[in-house]
Amino acid sequence: DAGVIQSPRHEVTEMGQEVTLRCKPISGHNSLFWYRQTMMRGLELLIYFNNNVPIDDSGMPEDRFSAKMPNASFSTLKIQPSEPRDSAVYFCASSQVTGNTGELFFGEGSRLTVL
Amino acid sequence: RKEVEQDPGPFNVPEGATVAFNCTYSNSASQSFFWYRQDCRKEPKLLMSVYSSGNEDGRFTAQLNRASQYISLLIRDSKLSDSATYLCVVNPFNQAGTALIFGKGTTLSVSS
Repeated sequence: DAGVIQSPRHEVTEMGQEVTLRCKPISGHNSLFWYRQTMMRGLELLIYFNNNVPIDDSGMPEDRFSAKMPNASFSTLKIQPSEPRDSAVYFCASSQVTGNTGELFFGEGSRLTVL
Repeated sequence: RKEVEQDPGPFNVPEGATVAFNCTYSNSASQSFFWYRQDCRKEPKLLMSVYSSGNEDGRFTAQLNRASQYISLLIRDSKLSDSATYLCVVNPFNQAGTALIFGKGTTLSVSS
């Protein structure tokens, strides 16, 4: 079975450019999470959705970040304009609302570098 | 105070050693606890759940002390393949479909 699929795997961009990260959750999973990982701060939750509805976006750093989930099989995280401090690995994860309370299935991550 | 705190290490141990990692959490109402493993430049994956009574999975033993808000992971007979970062994880609501809170991780390096 396919796992969580993220794209792009790597992105290098210049400050001020728009960045769009994409995620396809595991089929049948109805919770989707966006996390960001840096050496300094570890894994931080940005936003999560249940049944395509945003539940908690308190981790979104500022208005430059936005996330959408237009359907059960696709989500985007957009940064506009990007800044060097946004450089990090962005992970998407999915789970079932009725599943194990601790099992998130992560994608391989999108490594973003903003110059 | 961070919600989940871990000693970042690194822990450098020889093969066959026993090593223990500790973690503390700040929210006393937290209900469920886990250890995840993350290999270098890979995604985190669930290693095991942590139960109040303690639980074992092969060479791995997890313990929870609710009174002290403390979680531990013990690895016996360390293997080279155990080298990774171990993340302490808390679900504050004990229900699926809620966000997990991750510690920053403890790095283990096992050498021959």
